[in-house]
Amino acid sequence: EPEVTQTPSHQVTQMGQEVILRCVPISNHLYFYWYRQILGQKVEFLVSFYNNEISEKSEIFDDQFSVERPDGSNFTLKIRSTKLEDSAMYFCASSEQPNTEAFFGQGTRLTVV
Amino acid sequence: DAKTTQPTSMDCAEGRAANLPCNHSTISGNEYVYWYRQIHSQGPQYIIHGLKNNETNEMASLIITEDRKSSTLILPHATLRDTAVYYCIVRRGADGLTFGKGTHLIIQP
Repeated sequence: EPEVTQTPSHQVTQMGQEVILRCVPISNHLYFYWYRQILGQKVEFLVSFYNNEISEKSEIFDDQFSVERPDGSNFTLKIRSTKLEDSAMYFCASSEQPNTEAFFGQGTRLTVV
Repeated sequence: DAKTTQPTSMDCAEGRAANLPCNHSTISGNEYVYWYRQIHSQGPQYIIHGLKNNETNEMASLIITEDRKSSTLILPHATLRDTAVYYCIVRRGADGLTFGKGTHLIIQP
């Protein structure tokens, strides 16, 4: 069964460093998403991406964040100058069409020290 | 997206049907009802979704009231592995999903 894959599963970085979280969406999907979940809190929407541009973003997704689809398979989330409060699980998701289900990856646990 | 209201927690005996309610009284005509679940800190798992008709798949059934202001997710024969947080979400098109606190379903042996 096709699945969304995310790498790495766990990333530790020093405060102020840049990190890139990687996702490989399901191959025929056209809509891509990033979410985060701070420990013990709700899953929060960050950004959606379609046709090589951001289609929607939340208040959390400020200038510190950027997304890119550098090739035909990867979808990345870059976090510049990480802060302690960026520590969270980051989930990538993809869906084929509007009004169809989004499938989530297993997440990358980001720890900023 | 419209807001949803779910009970904080529910218990269900193993082997019985688990019925999880959700209120979405402000749902718009073009918004779908989605159900996801999350086990520990794993990625949310899609369960089912619908617009106005009842839906069934291999995991669950979704019953949506005629006025679409509420719905019920039914897990027909709950197992211990169904213990998870269940999220009812209303969503328009390809918008991002807005997760609430969900219902913590505990399946009792």
